[in-house]
Amino acid sequence: DGGITQSPKYLFRKEGQNVTLSCEQNLNHDAMYWYRQDPGQGLRLIYYSQIVNDFQKGDIAEGYSVSREKKESFPLTVTSAQKNPTAFYLCASSPPGGGRDTQYFGPGTRLTVL
Amino acid sequence: AQSVTQPDIHITVSEGASLELRCNYSYGATPYLFWYVQSPGQGLQLLLKYFSGDTLVQGIKGFEAEFKRSQSSFNLRKPSVHWSDAAEYFCAVGAGGYQKVTFGTGTKLQVIP
Repeated sequence: DGGITQSPKYLFRKEGQNVTLSCEQNLNHDAMYWYRQDPGQGLRLIYYSQIVNDFQKGDIAEGYSVSREKKESFPLTVTSAQKNPTAFYLCASSPPGGGRDTQYFGPGTRLTVL
Repeated sequence: AQSVTQPDIHITVSEGASLELRCNYSYGATPYLFWYVQSPGQGLQLLLKYFSGDTLVQGIKGFEAEFKRSQSSFNLRKPSVHWSDAAEYFCAVGAGGYQKVTFGTGTKLQVIP
């Protein structure tokens, strides 16, 4: 079955540590996205990538970094510079087209900073 | 840039009652409009979308939505709610080309027996 996988489902981090969240898709989609979800704030875009080896900052990119070396993979690193990283992180993918295409979401990773 | 507003943070309905979730958008041209549903601790799933044509759109799980350009609205409806519909619902608006999709803040639906 085609879909998006995110790992791990739960992640705990000590303050000052960098952590990397995994996102893999086998839908053959060109575009991939990372969102952060906090209660009452909906989904906020962190980074997005329309093609391999290219990505753009979203609305809240500070303290995060990404790479897109393969079409299937779009890992997100939460750095120690992110002041409040505890949140639910969602990865999504879509065919090219951006604003007109359905986004397909993974199950999410819940990150907690201890 | 586009924006979307979901004025209701939380709605409670009785099982079997009708449902309407409100969504208002702001965009200069004809937008692409979406409704997604999220069960607790899960990702989002598309319910339905509007691009053009018939302003009444049918989706999965018995949901429908109506695009009203004059009111800048895209409200989601269901004639009879089931307990399994309890979830959070997100309206989203996209523009053309490679512009990103903007999500609303969500409406959490509680269904009581």
